[in-house]
Amino acid sequence: AQSVAQPEDQVNVAEGNPLTVKCTYSVSGNPYLFWYVQYPNRGLQFLLKYITGDNLVKGSYGFEAEFNKSQTSFHLKKPSALVSDSALYFCAVRDGPNRDDKIIFGKGTRLHILP
Amino acid sequence: EPEVTQTPSHQVTQMGQEVILRCVPISNHLYFYWYRQILGQKVEFLVSFYNNEISEKSEIFDDQFSVERPDGSNFTLKIRSTKLEDSAMYFCATIWGQGSNTGELFFGEGSRLTVL
Repeated sequence: AQSVAQPEDQVNVAEGNPLTVKCTYSVSGNPYLFWYVQYPNRGLQFLLKYITGDNLVKGSYGFEAEFNKSQTSFHLKKPSALVSDSALYFCAVRDGPNRDDKIIFGKGTRLHILP
Repeated sequence: EPEVTQTPSHQVTQMGQEVILRCVPISNHLYFYWYRQILGQKVEFLVSFYNNEISEKSEIFDDQFSVERPDGSNFTLKIRSTKLEDSAMYFCATIWGQGSNTGELFFGEGSRLTVL
């Protein structure tokens, strides 16, 4: 079965600094990878996805993610953090090649941006 | 972005009572999912639903759970006899039916279930 791992429970970054939230994956076949963000008492919002193509994927709110096949990683990045980026971030992988296969989530990483 | 509306936003119930959570997607949604999240932690898959039948279910989705889409619009999750450990946020999610969509889920805002 497919899986993702988020090694950090929490990441603290000063406002204005670059941020990275780590994710590694384990899949059989081609990986279909996603990042979601959850603000307090809200649902999950889609940020970006990697299906195929360029290894650097750009998404919402200035976020991007780098797909690295050799390291089986899909780290989320942003060049300059904002306090409003503070939230819970989930890496996710589709559990199969079909569009409707369920998506499996990592345990989440809480991002704190310090003013 | 497609919208998914969930009701109720919060429900408090006594252990052993039946609960129905509702999800109202807009049109062109083909695939439906329920996930749950306990205490802001990991998001766990419960069940997927397509063409009026269950596509896949997790081991969490036991005989106490059921789903249906009775009127072709609302997608419901029923818990027949709630247990304390059913307390969680329940999220409905859908996949949009447009051709360019490649499987990202769109989530509702969730229904918080508190079992006393």
